[in-house]
Amino acid sequence: EPEVTQTPSHQVTQMGQEVILRCVPISNHLYFYWYRQILGQKVEFLVSFYNNEISEKSEIFDDQFSVERPDGSNFTLKIRSTKLEDSAMYFCASSPDWVEQYFGPGTRLTVT
Amino acid sequence: AQKVTQAQTEISVVEKEDVTLDCVYETRDTTYYLFWYKQPPSGELVFLIRRNSFDEQNEISGRYSWNFQKSTSSFNFTITASQVVDSAVYFCALRGSGGSYIPTFGRGTSLIVHP
Repeated sequence: EPEVTQTPSHQVTQMGQEVILRCVPISNHLYFYWYRQILGQKVEFLVSFYNNEISEKSEIFDDQFSVERPDGSNFTLKIRSTKLEDSAMYFCASSPDWVEQYFGPGTRLTVT
Repeated sequence: AQKVTQAQTEISVVEKEDVTLDCVYETRDTTYYLFWYKQPPSGELVFLIRRNSFDEQNEISGRYSWNFQKSTSSFNFTITASQVVDSAVYFCALRGSGGSYIPTFGRGTSLIVHP
């Protein structure tokens, strides 16, 4: 069964550094998303992406964040200058129909 | 504005007990979608079910069942004869269709099933 994959599974970075989180969505899906989950808290929407552009973004998704689909398969989330409070699990999801979303296993980002 | 409330922070049961996880939602959309996800200790999010607002049929899948009641804005999830492997955090989520498709998640209910 096709699945969403994410790399790396765990990323440790120093405050102020740039990080890129990578996702490979399910191949025939058209909608892509990033979420984050701070440890022990609820899942929060960051951004949705369709037709090579951002469809919606939340208040969390400020100028420090960007998304890109650099080729036909990858979908990346970049954080330009990480802060301690960016430490969280980041989930990528893809969807064939903007409703039912399939989540990846997540990348745990630790900012020190 | 959308809101999802999972009032039960943590539930602890003994194996083979039935358990119901509550989910109450608020939305102004007339068409919307409700979801349940399971997050086991390993951390991934596992899709369990999706329900459209215009389909109030209850659903059963093995030991899992869902009770959708529009009149009370609830979408409760019952696990029958719980097992240790059911131990996880369960999230209820809501997604509207009236302009914003941003999903809203509840805070989750942590279910602990003791052997």
